[in-house]
Amino acid sequence: RKEVEQDPGPFNVPEGATVAFNCTYSNSASQSFFWYRQDCRKEPKLLMSVYSSGNEDGRFTAQLNRASQYISLLIRDSKLSDSATYLCVVTIQGAQKLVFGQGTRLTINP
Amino acid sequence: GAGVSQSPSNKVTEKGKDVELRCDPISGHTALYWYRQSLGQGLEFLIYFQGNSAPDKSGLPSDRFSAERTGGSVSTLTIQRTQQEDSAVYLCASSSQGEQFFGPGTRLTVL
Repeated sequence: RKEVEQDPGPFNVPEGATVAFNCTYSNSASQSFFWYRQDCRKEPKLLMSVYSSGNEDGRFTAQLNRASQYISLLIRDSKLSDSATYLCVVTIQGAQKLVFGQGTRLTINP
Repeated sequence: GAGVSQSPSNKVTEKGKDVELRCDPISGHTALYWYRQSLGQGLEFLIYFQGNSAPDKSGLPSDRFSAERTGGSVSTLTIQRTQQEDSAVYLCASSSQGEQFFGPGTRLTVL
C-alpha cells in the first residue's frame, strides 16, 4: 500500500465549478501535511500547508482529519489557470523528506 | 532572488554510461534534497543533506546511485552504469527551516 494515496483523476470540470480532492495517508506518525501544485513539465510548488483546524487561502480550503488519516482540498470558483496536477504531501515524524501522493490531474474547461 | 538551479536541463545517454547531475541550492539553505519523478509515477525521495550531518541515503534505489554535497552548497547526483529504468526527471530541492523549494529538474533519458 502506498504511503499517500490520491485519486489520479483526471478531473475535467467547467470554469466556475467547485472541485474537491481527497487524499489518505497510511503512516500514523505523519506530522506535517501539504498540497503542492505541479504544472505540466514544471517543478512542484507549495500551494498551502494543511492544519487540523482547517485553513483557507482565497478560493482554496484545506482540511485535515487525523483520526481518519484524510486530507482534502477544495477549490471554489475554479479558473482556467487552476489546471494542474495537485500533489498531496506529508512528512513523517523524525524525517525531513517529503512523501508524495501520485497526484490528481485537474483540467478546467472554458 | 535566484531559485534552485539544476544542470543540465536535459540529458540523453546510452545504457551503461555514467551521468552526473548538478544542483545549486538557494544561497543560505542548509538542507538539500534529491527526488525522482518517473513517467506516471509520483515523486520519490532519494537522498537528503543537512549541514555537515551524514546524509539520509534511505531512498537511493541501488548502489549505482550516489550523491555528494561539497562545501555545504552545490550537490552532484551520480548514476553509474545507467539503465533504461533510470529514465526520469531528477528534481533537487532546498530549504532553510520550512518550505522546500524545487529546481526545474534534469530530464534524463537512457537509451
